[in-house]
Amino acid sequence: AQSVTQLGSHVSVSEGALVLLRCNYSSSVPPYLFWYVQYPNQGLQLLLKYTSAATLVKGINGFEAEFKKSETSFHLTKPSAHMSDAAEYFCAVRGGATNKLIFGTGTLLAVQP
Amino acid sequence: KAGVTQTPRYLIKTRGQQVTLSCSPISGHRSVSWYQQTPGQGLQFLFEYFSETQRNKGNFPGRFSGRQFSNSRSEMNVSTLELGDSALYLCASSLDHRGGNQPQHFGDGTRLSIL
Repeated sequence: AQSVTQLGSHVSVSEGALVLLRCNYSSSVPPYLFWYVQYPNQGLQLLLKYTSAATLVKGINGFEAEFKKSETSFHLTKPSAHMSDAAEYFCAVRGGATNKLIFGTGTLLAVQP
Repeated sequence: KAGVTQTPRYLIKTRGQQVTLSCSPISGHRSVSWYQQTPGQGLQFLFEYFSETQRNKGNFPGRFSGRQFSNSRSEMNVSTLELGDSALYLCASSLDHRGGNQPQHFGDGTRLSIL
């Protein structure tokens, strides 16, 4: 069964610093992977998705993620953090041949001035 | 293009009551999924509807039910509310039920509080 693990429930960075949020997946078949962001009192917004066309995926707001099959990872990065990036980030994998998404436990990103 | 619309945004109920939440998907989207988000359990899949049929169901008791109308709008119902049902209920829509790399688009949720 597919699953994702997000390492680090809380990550704090300084404004302008590199953001690295970790996600490892467990899947017996090539996975469909997604990153979502949730701002306070809002729903989930899609940041990016892995399509197998390229291992480096660019998303919105300057975020990107690299799919590494050998490490079963799909880490999310941003070169320079902004205060507006403070939010909770969720990695998700498609649950089989269905629409169901299986989410990680989330990483709360704090950006310090 | 309007996004996924959920109503109401906030709801307060007492134990034993029932509640109905509504979701209007993005125009043209025919699949609607529901998720429950709590601090303890995180995001958990409730069920998915496509063409007015439930296609997939999560591990929730029968008190949780849903339906979809011919215009793809969906409702979910929770009967005999318990304190543990307090959560943010999120609705997500997508073009169809085939999964793959098509994303789900989420509404802002309904915050349900049980007193």
